[in-house]
Amino acid sequence: QKEVEQNSGPLSVPEGAIASLNCTYSDRGSQSFFWYRQYSGKSPELIMFIYSNGDKEDGRFTAQLNKASQYVSLLIRDSQPSDSATYLCAVKTVDYKLSFGAGTTVTVRA
Amino acid sequence: DAGVIQSPRHEVTEMGQEVTLRCKPISGHDYLFWYRQTMMRGLELLIYFNNNVPIDDSGMPEDRFSAKMPNASFSTLKIQPSEPRDSAVYFCASRPRAIDGYTFGSGTRLTVV
Repeated sequence: QKEVEQNSGPLSVPEGAIASLNCTYSDRGSQSFFWYRQYSGKSPELIMFIYSNGDKEDGRFTAQLNKASQYVSLLIRDSQPSDSATYLCAVKTVDYKLSFGAGTTVTVRA
Repeated sequence: DAGVIQSPRHEVTEMGQEVTLRCKPISGHDYLFWYRQTMMRGLELLIYFNNNVPIDDSGMPEDRFSAKMPNASFSTLKIQPSEPRDSAVYFCASRPRAIDGYTFGSGTRLTVV
């Protein structure tokens, strides 16, 4: 079992809709969770992090964490064409390492 | 701040040649990480340093790969000899002690022919 798994996508949503991205992790002791956005040909860019169960909102982005279910999600509200990218879920394991999922590619249709 | 700086941006080399990738972390960041990204395997951690000391190199694929961090502002990843299966984008990332998230460099796209 991979440490971090994401729904494979690709995910296509119309402009203005909500994009929902899911991620599960295997290490029950994980404490820190991150979402990175990666545009094609570019490096990953941190967009959200969450440490506690529940929701965390930042602009059009909402991260949700459920440690009991070992589940992290990212919602993108009012999706824009500029949100078209690959979204990487990352989980902090021991010794400050981040383990990344394979990513979900999102395409926002204008 | 200029961010994490990597060089070169692109490298094309012939199989069997030595390749050296370079990274300058953000000033004041205690941790430095080298990742490799391919379509098949995604982002894989190769090695990381804390205060210039290698902490975990379990991700280094084989002895052909080596990494050094001679001081707080410079690190290298060397592949000798290079093979076509080493073709990938190599990212360097750094983070300060108190924050969990990394900042990535722009990456080096390596092609071994």
